[in-house]
Amino acid sequence: EVQLLESGGGLVQPGGSLRVSCAGSGFSFSGYALSWVRQVPGKGLEWVSTISGSGGSTYYADSVKGRFTISRDNSKNTVSLQMNGLRAEDSAVYFCAKGPSSSSWLADWGQGTLVTVSS
Amino acid sequence: DIVVTQSPDSLAVSLGERATINCKSSQSVLYSSDNNNYLAWYQQKPGQPPKLLFYWASTRESGVPDRFSGSGSGTDFTLTISTLQAEDVAVYYCQQYYRTPITFGQGTRLEIK
Repeated sequence: EVQLLESGGGLVQPGGSLRVSCAGSGFSFSGYALSWVRQVPGKGLEWVSTISGSGGSTYYADSVKGRFTISRDNSKNTVSLQMNGLRAEDSAVYFCAKGPSSSSWLADWGQGTLVTVSS
Repeated sequence: DIVVTQSPDSLAVSLGERATINCKSSQSVLYSSDNNNYLAWYQQKPGQPPKLLFYWASTRESGVPDRFSGSGSGTDFTLTISTLQAEDVAVYYCQQYYRTPITFGQGTRLEIK
């Protein structure tokens, strides 16, 4: 069974940093691209970032480019999103999701971790 | 960026009736070299992550009931639920993956009339 388990969410002040992570199991981790998608509670879905299976290619939404960094450790089956320069508008539930390629559908999703940026 | 627009924003349908949700992309997501439409559909219930229903616009994900169908090509797509069940109450999203950034429609909230 495919499982994606996010962790690391919490409350952070504007301008601060936070790192969220996602641990995968039940599939060949390095064979799949992994993405972060966020959702303000009660609102729609916004793609944030994707990393290829090898980690050699990364992609970012314009809204986070230069502030967020995605990375993965295939030896530990984890993907992380380092978020710097956080703004109130970054507050959302952050989902980790798995797809067959770097631009594809997202077949499996974690339960999400809530990030709140507030003073 | 490819803008994806769904209609309607919300929909109320009686149990056992048909529900239809539309999705329109700002440019074609049909890739001529493989003749595939780079569009997916998701269902999201309260407190849960999205669940994949269809990819390639009409390929049903394993386990999705056959009362759900996806259709369309180019820029215009439709998700149809042939006979609405109570468990189908959810928000439905379409997503294009023709080009990065992948983009989602704003969602359609489906309720029971």
